[in-house]
Amino acid sequence: KAGVTQTPRYLIKTRGQQVTLSCSPISGHRSVSWYQQTPGQGLQFLFEYFSETQRNKGNFPGRFSGRQFSNSRSEMNVSTLELGDSALYLCASSLAGIAGVNNEQFFGPGTRLTVL
Amino acid sequence: GQQVMQIPQYQHVQEGEDFTTYCNSSTTLSNIQWYKQRPGGHPVFLIQLVKSGEVKKQKRLTFQFGEAKKNSSLHITATQTTDVGTYFCAGRGSSGYSTLTFGKGTMLLVSP
Repeated sequence: KAGVTQTPRYLIKTRGQQVTLSCSPISGHRSVSWYQQTPGQGLQFLFEYFSETQRNKGNFPGRFSGRQFSNSRSEMNVSTLELGDSALYLCASSLAGIAGVNNEQFFGPGTRLTVL
Repeated sequence: GQQVMQIPQYQHVQEGEDFTTYCNSSTTLSNIQWYKQRPGGHPVFLIQLVKSGEVKKQKRLTFQFGEAKKNSSLHITATQTTDVGTYFCAGRGSSGYSTLTFGKGTMLLVSP
Protein backbone atom coordinates (compact mmCIF):
# COMPACT_ATOMS: atom_id res chain seq x y z
CA LYS A 1 0.00 0.00 0.00
CA ALA A 2 1.21 3.48 -0.75
CA GLY A 3 1.81 5.64 2.29
CA VAL A 4 0.39 9.03 3.15
CA THR A 5 1.45 11.64 0.63
CA GLN A 6 1.62 15.38 1.14
CA THR A 7 2.12 18.12 -1.38
CA PRO A 8 3.99 20.30 -1.70
CA ARG A 9 6.93 19.16 0.40
CA TYR A 10 8.40 22.64 0.72
CA LEU A 11 6.81 26.05 0.47
CA ILE A 12 8.04 29.60 0.92
CA LYS A 13 5.51 32.35 1.34
CA THR A 14 5.49 35.94 2.55
CA ARG A 15 3.45 37.45 5.35
CA GLY A 16 -0.15 38.13 4.42
CA GLN A 17 -0.33 35.47 1.72
CA GLN A 18 -2.42 32.34 1.96
CA VAL A 19 -1.44 28.74 1.42
CA THR A 20 -3.18 25.43 0.71
CA LEU A 21 -1.62 22.12 1.68
CA SER A 22 -2.81 18.77 0.41
CA CYS A 23 -2.84 15.30 1.93
CA SER A 24 -3.74 11.95 0.40
CA PRO A 25 -4.32 9.27 3.02
CA ILE A 26 -3.58 5.58 2.78
CA SER A 27 -6.17 3.84 0.65
CA GLY A 28 -9.10 2.77 2.83
CA HIS A 29 -8.34 5.22 5.63
CA ARG A 30 -11.23 7.56 6.31
CA SER A 31 -9.76 9.61 9.13
CA VAL A 32 -7.28 12.41 8.43
CA SER A 33 -5.66 14.58 11.07
CA TRP A 34 -3.42 17.59 10.70
CA TYR A 35 -0.66 18.69 13.08
CA GLN A 36 1.70 21.62 13.28
CA GLN A 37 5.21 20.79 14.44
CA THR A 38 7.65 23.44 15.59
CA PRO A 39 10.94 23.03 17.49
CA GLY A 40 10.28 22.52 21.18
CA GLN A 41 6.49 22.44 20.82
CA GLY A 42 5.98 18.91 19.67
CA LEU A 43 2.92 18.15 17.58
CA GLN A 44 0.06 20.58 17.98
CA PHE A 45 -3.28 19.23 16.83
CA LEU A 46 -5.07 21.26 14.15
CA PHE A 47 -8.06 19.25 12.91
CA GLU A 48 -9.43 15.78 12.47
CA TYR A 49 -11.76 14.79 9.64
CA PHE A 50 -13.75 11.65 9.17
CA SER A 51 -15.96 11.00 6.15
CA GLU A 52 -15.86 14.67 5.11
CA THR A 53 -16.90 15.89 8.57
CA GLN A 54 -14.67 17.83 10.91
CA ARG A 55 -14.74 15.77 14.07
CA ASN A 56 -12.32 17.76 16.21
CA LYS A 57 -10.55 21.08 16.04
CA GLY A 58 -7.48 22.24 17.91
CA ASN A 59 -6.82 25.58 19.52
CA PHE A 60 -5.76 27.52 16.45
CA PRO A 61 -7.13 30.81 15.09
CA GLY A 62 -9.77 30.91 12.39
CA ARG A 63 -7.07 31.59 9.79
CA PHE A 64 -6.50 27.85 9.83
CA SER A 65 -9.16 25.86 8.06
CA GLY A 66 -9.49 22.51 6.40
CA ARG A 67 -11.74 20.16 4.55
CA GLN A 68 -11.98 16.57 3.46
CA PHE A 69 -13.27 15.31 0.15
CA SER A 70 -15.36 12.27 -0.65
CA ASN A 71 -12.22 10.31 -1.62
CA SER A 72 -10.80 11.07 1.87
CA ARG A 73 -8.16 13.42 0.50
CA SER A 74 -7.81 16.48 2.68
CA GLU A 75 -6.63 20.03 2.36
CA MET A 76 -5.77 22.64 4.91
CA ASN A 77 -5.64 26.34 4.27
CA VAL A 78 -3.90 29.09 6.17
CA SER A 79 -4.87 32.64 5.30
CA THR A 80 -3.07 35.89 6.13
CA LEU A 81 0.17 34.10 6.92
CA GLU A 82 2.24 35.24 9.89
CA LEU A 83 5.93 34.60 10.61
CA GLY A 84 4.91 32.29 13.45
CA ASP A 85 3.14 29.99 11.02
CA SER A 86 6.51 28.71 9.81
CA ALA A 87 6.48 25.05 10.72
CA LEU A 88 6.32 21.49 9.51
CA TYR A 89 2.70 20.58 8.80
CA LEU A 90 2.04 16.90 9.18
CA CYS A 91 -0.93 14.96 7.97
CA ALA A 92 -1.81 11.57 9.42
CA SER A 93 -4.39 9.04 8.40
CA SER A 94 -5.98 6.20 10.31
CA LEU A 95 -8.72 3.67 9.77
CA ALA A 96 -11.18 5.04 12.27
CA GLY A 97 -9.87 7.39 14.91
CA ILE A 98 -12.33 6.09 17.44
CA ALA A 99 -10.97 5.68 20.96
CA GLY A 100 -9.27 2.32 21.27
CA VAL A 101 -10.14 1.10 17.82
CA ASN A 102 -7.75 0.96 14.86
CA ASN A 103 -6.61 4.46 15.48
CA GLU A 104 -2.86 4.28 14.98
CA GLN A 105 -1.79 7.23 12.95
CA PHE A 106 0.24 6.91 9.77
CA PHE A 107 2.06 10.14 9.09
CA GLY A 108 3.04 11.68 5.80
CA PRO A 109 6.45 13.28 5.22
CA GLY A 110 5.04 16.74 5.96
CA THR A 111 5.06 20.10 4.24
CA ARG A 112 7.77 22.47 5.42
CA LEU A 113 6.28 25.98 5.31
CA THR A 114 8.53 29.00 5.64
CA VAL A 115 6.95 32.43 6.00
CA LEU A 116 9.21 35.38 5.25
CA GLY B 1 -8.55 20.39 27.95
CA GLN B 2 -6.51 17.26 28.03
CA GLN B 3 -2.79 17.75 28.53
CA VAL B 4 -0.01 15.24 28.10
CA MET B 5 3.33 15.97 29.75
CA GLN B 6 6.48 14.11 28.80
CA ILE B 7 9.84 14.05 30.54
CA PRO B 8 12.70 14.42 30.09
CA GLN B 9 12.77 16.76 27.11
CA TYR B 10 16.22 15.58 26.15
CA GLN B 11 18.62 12.81 27.10
CA HIS B 12 22.11 12.02 25.93
CA VAL B 13 23.42 8.54 26.72
CA GLN B 14 26.40 6.39 25.86
CA GLU B 15 25.70 3.42 23.67
CA GLY B 16 24.80 0.46 25.87
CA GLU B 17 23.17 2.55 28.61
CA ASP B 18 19.47 2.32 29.32
CA PHE B 19 16.93 5.06 28.60
CA THR B 20 13.46 5.83 29.93
CA THR B 21 10.91 8.46 28.99
CA TYR B 22 7.78 9.16 31.02
CA CYS B 23 4.39 10.41 30.01
CA ASN B 24 1.64 11.82 32.25
CA SER B 25 -1.88 12.81 31.30
CA SER B 26 -4.13 15.27 33.11
CA THR B 27 -7.10 13.00 32.42
CA THR B 28 -7.80 9.29 32.21
CA LEU B 29 -6.98 7.87 28.81
CA SER B 30 -8.68 5.21 26.75
CA ASN B 31 -5.36 4.31 25.19
CA ILE B 32 -1.86 5.61 24.73
CA GLN B 33 0.34 5.39 21.68
CA TRP B 34 4.07 5.80 21.22
CA TYR B 35 5.79 7.17 18.16
CA LYS B 36 9.39 7.61 17.08
CA GLN B 37 10.60 10.41 14.84
CA ARG B 38 14.08 10.15 13.39
CA PRO B 39 15.92 13.42 12.64
CA GLY B 40 14.49 14.86 9.45
CA GLY B 41 11.73 12.28 9.35
CA HIS B 42 8.12 11.96 10.35
CA PRO B 43 6.62 10.22 13.39
CA VAL B 44 6.29 6.47 13.02
CA PHE B 45 3.89 4.45 15.13
CA LEU B 46 5.54 2.07 17.59
CA ILE B 47 2.78 0.65 19.77
CA GLN B 48 -0.60 1.18 21.38
CA LEU B 49 -1.49 0.29 24.98
CA VAL B 50 -5.13 -0.06 25.96
CA LYS B 51 -5.47 -1.99 29.21
CA SER B 52 -4.77 -0.73 32.70
CA GLY B 53 -1.33 -1.95 33.85
CA GLU B 54 -0.50 -3.27 30.40
CA VAL B 55 3.14 -4.04 29.58
CA LYS B 56 4.34 -4.73 26.06
CA LYS B 57 7.80 -5.49 24.76
CA GLN B 58 9.38 -5.01 21.36
CA LYS B 59 12.90 -6.42 21.46
CA ARG B 60 14.83 -3.92 23.64
CA LEU B 61 11.83 -1.61 24.10
CA THR B 62 9.40 -2.03 27.01
CA PHE B 63 6.18 -0.02 27.17
CA GLN B 64 3.99 0.32 30.25
CA PHE B 65 0.54 1.79 30.83
CA GLY B 66 -0.25 2.81 34.39
CA GLU B 67 -2.95 1.24 36.52
CA ALA B 68 -4.94 4.48 36.53
CA LYS B 69 -4.48 4.85 32.75
CA LYS B 70 -3.01 8.32 33.24
CA ASN B 71 0.67 7.59 32.79
CA SER B 72 2.98 5.55 30.63
CA SER B 73 6.64 4.89 30.11
CA LEU B 74 9.00 3.67 27.42
CA HIS B 75 12.19 1.97 28.48
CA ILE B 76 15.01 1.08 26.09
CA THR B 77 17.59 -1.43 27.31
CA ALA B 78 21.16 -1.18 26.08
CA THR B 79 20.66 1.71 23.66
CA GLN B 80 22.16 1.62 20.19
CA THR B 81 22.96 4.49 17.82
CA THR B 82 19.94 3.45 15.76
CA ASP B 83 17.71 4.45 18.69
CA VAL B 84 18.48 8.11 18.08
CA GLY B 85 15.37 10.20 17.57
CA THR B 86 12.50 11.84 19.37
CA TYR B 87 10.00 9.64 21.16
CA PHE B 88 6.45 10.91 21.52
CA CYS B 89 3.62 9.59 23.59
CA ALA B 90 0.07 10.37 22.49
CA GLY B 91 -3.04 9.84 24.54
CA ARG B 92 -6.66 9.70 23.53
CA GLY B 93 -9.42 10.47 25.98
CA SER B 94 -12.27 8.22 26.92
CA SER B 95 -15.04 9.72 24.79
CA GLY B 96 -15.68 8.21 21.40
CA TYR B 97 -14.19 10.92 19.23
CA SER B 98 -11.72 12.57 21.57
CA THR B 99 -8.55 14.11 20.22
CA LEU B 100 -5.21 12.34 20.19
CA THR B 101 -2.98 14.61 22.28
CA PHE B 102 0.77 14.38 21.86
CA GLY B 103 3.40 15.03 24.46
CA LYS B 104 6.26 17.33 23.45
CA GLY B 105 8.56 14.38 23.06
CA THR B 106 11.90 13.22 24.45
CA MET B 107 14.87 13.66 22.18
CA LEU B 108 17.37 10.81 22.60
CA LEU B 109 20.99 11.13 21.53
CA VAL B 110 23.22 8.08 21.70
CA SER B 111 26.98 8.43 21.52
CA PRO B 112 29.02 5.46 20.27
